[in-house]
Amino acid sequence: KAGVTQTPRYLIKTRGQQVTLSCSPISGHRSVSWYQQTPGQGLQFLFEYFSETQRNKGNFPGRFSGRQFSNSRSEMNVSTLELGDSALYLCASRMDSSSGNTIYFGEGSWLTVV
Amino acid sequence: SQQGEEDPQALSIQEGENATMNCSYKTSINNLQWYRQNSGRGLVHLILIRSNEREKHSGRLRVTLDTSKKSSSLLITASRAADTASYFCATVLPLSNDYKLSFGAGTTVTVRA
Repeated sequence: KAGVTQTPRYLIKTRGQQVTLSCSPISGHRSVSWYQQTPGQGLQFLFEYFSETQRNKGNFPGRFSGRQFSNSRSEMNVSTLELGDSALYLCASRMDSSSGNTIYFGEGSWLTVV
Repeated sequence: SQQGEEDPQALSIQEGENATMNCSYKTSINNLQWYRQNSGRGLVHLILIRSNEREKHSGRLRVTLDTSKKSSSLLITASRAADTASYFCATVLPLSNDYKLSFGAGTTVTVRA
């Protein structure tokens, strides 16, 4: 069974540009969430989607957005990039909305903003 | 703000020794999950322990949970060089509509050959 797949793995963008990251969850998993990891702030929750609906959102500005498609695949978008957006962006999936689920992570997308 | 805090921040041990790291958290939880991260890679799930459980094992890993002290520990026995990584605890709150992981800063473990 394939794990959580994220693309692209590495990318470099210029300040002011926008970026879209993609995530394919584990087959059968309906919930996808996104996390940002930086040396200064550590691992922080961005948002979670379940059945194409955003269920939960972390404390990030509106420049960070996401969506989920009917096949559970998800994308996150960051607009008007800032230097501080440079981070490892991790996608995670779990089976459904019930509590007690294990959350599985992908390898992440390394974003560098120059 | 981070819910979990790991202790120590860094740990260096000899191959074959045991490694113990602790995690403290602030509020009631639904479950607590431990993850490993090798440099530059994603997070690998190790163990999930629910709030009504006290101890779980998986191979060379042993996790304990003390909800009265709001703390958990991860023990790696007979460590190997491949165990060199950062280890994170993450808590999930009891609310079913707030299922997100709140991570600590992690413990960096170095296993010397």
